Amino acid sequence: QQQVKQSPQSLIVQKGGISIINCAYENTAFDYFPWYQQFPGKGPALLIAIRPDVSEKKEGRFTISFNKSAKQFSLHIMDSQPGDSATYFCAASMSSGTYKYIFGTGTRLKVLA
Amino acid sequence: DTAVSQTPKYLVTQMGNDKSIKCEQNLGHDTMYWYKQDSKKFLKIMFSYNNKELIINETVPNRFSPKSPDKAHLNLHINSLELGDSAVYFCASKTLVSAQYFGPGTRLLVL
Repeated sequence: QQQVKQSPQSLIVQKGGISIINCAYENTAFDYFPWYQQFPGKGPALLIAIRPDVSEKKEGRFTISFNKSAKQFSLHIMDSQPGDSATYFCAASMSSGTYKYIFGTGTRLKVLA
Repeated sequence: DTAVSQTPKYLVTQMGNDKSIKCEQNLGHDTMYWYKQDSKKFLKIMFSYNNKELIINETVPNRFSPKSPDKAHLNLHINSLELGDSAVYFCASKTLVSAQYFGPGTRLLVL
């Protein structure tokens, strides 16, 4: 119940294309879903986050789509650029208790120039 | 700069040694975390402190001992280092309403 399943494990996209990374969770008590971007040799950095009271959140080229009934959420990167090449992690958390994040296993994105 | 900082950035040591990693945040956060990231990039939480009190203690060998002298600092001491401890260790912090902010990581290599 505590797992967050992330797919695909790796993704190669042409410059200008759309990158899509999917995550699924089981625990309906989760109410906060952040996405992190990690470049080689760096720490994960918060990219965008969503709460289940909205179905979509957009920040620039990055969009989270959230399907509460399916217990799934996804990250869409529009107009993907070589500079977006990184590892992306989804996570899920509850806004109470220990605030523990359950991270997905990560997706290595490579955007070809 | 407001940030989460870690020292050292790199740590190379022999099996059996004892070492410490330090973390400091100047974001005014009250909760801090230690994560281990293995070679497959999987992020595994180890410990969390809230206002200097331990609130998360995952299944971690007792060779690992966290210490939080105050809200802004969380250190990790590792006794009797083993080859399998080689990984990148990340510190993170948050408040009640913020996301977690990660430090730059400490790359530990045990020879």
